[in-house]
Amino acid sequence: EDQVTQSPEALRLQEGESSSLNCSYTVSGLRGLFWYRQDPGKGPEFLFTLYSAGEEKEKERLKATLTKKESFLHITAPKPEDSATYLCAVLLGSNYKLTFGKGTLLTVNP
Amino acid sequence: EAQVTQNPRYLITVTGKKLTVTCSQNMNHEYMSWYRQDPGLGLRQIYYSMNVEVTDKGDVPEGYKVSRKEKRNFPLILESPSPNQTSLYFCASSLGGWDTQYFGPGTRLTVL
Repeated sequence: EDQVTQSPEALRLQEGESSSLNCSYTVSGLRGLFWYRQDPGKGPEFLFTLYSAGEEKEKERLKATLTKKESFLHITAPKPEDSATYLCAVLLGSNYKLTFGKGTLLTVNP
Repeated sequence: EAQVTQNPRYLITVTGKKLTVTCSQNMNHEYMSWYRQDPGLGLRQIYYSMNVEVTDKGDVPEGYKVSRKEKRNFPLILESPSPNQTSLYFCASSLGGWDTQYFGPGTRLTVL
């Protein structure tokens, strides 16, 4: 069973059409949740870290929120350059292993 | 320029021929990590290191070795590569903990 699930797997939006990506986790004891952006052929690029339920972080058109069992990445009025795969990762329990979800491929059409 | 470098960027090899992928960072980061990325499986942590001489297994360590003799370098060693290790490999580093990890450009490995 996957510990970290991202949905949807793929999302196609029109420029300016706001939406949200989801990252849910099944194991208790969250110590940190991280969002990354990955462009084709490149390494992931760090976006946000969230540590506790209720926390929010913003950067340009992106806003990340965290509840007890999931996180949302809200994209407001997206532009074509926001097209990328968005990855979330969680740090759970007492170990230091980082577990990534499979990602959401976002395509924003002009 | 602050960066994580990996070499080689592309490598085609044969089963059983030992290889090393180097990783170096110039940011004086404590944490370093190796990942592999495969279609449908996402990014999976192989090994990580929290400081010099301190390493631990991630989710998929079988068939890999690492060492951390210096703070800036964290090589990934495949002693006897097999075709199922064909993948895209990323090295990453962070100052402390997993906050703000910087990833390298990736190494695409093909094992025939």
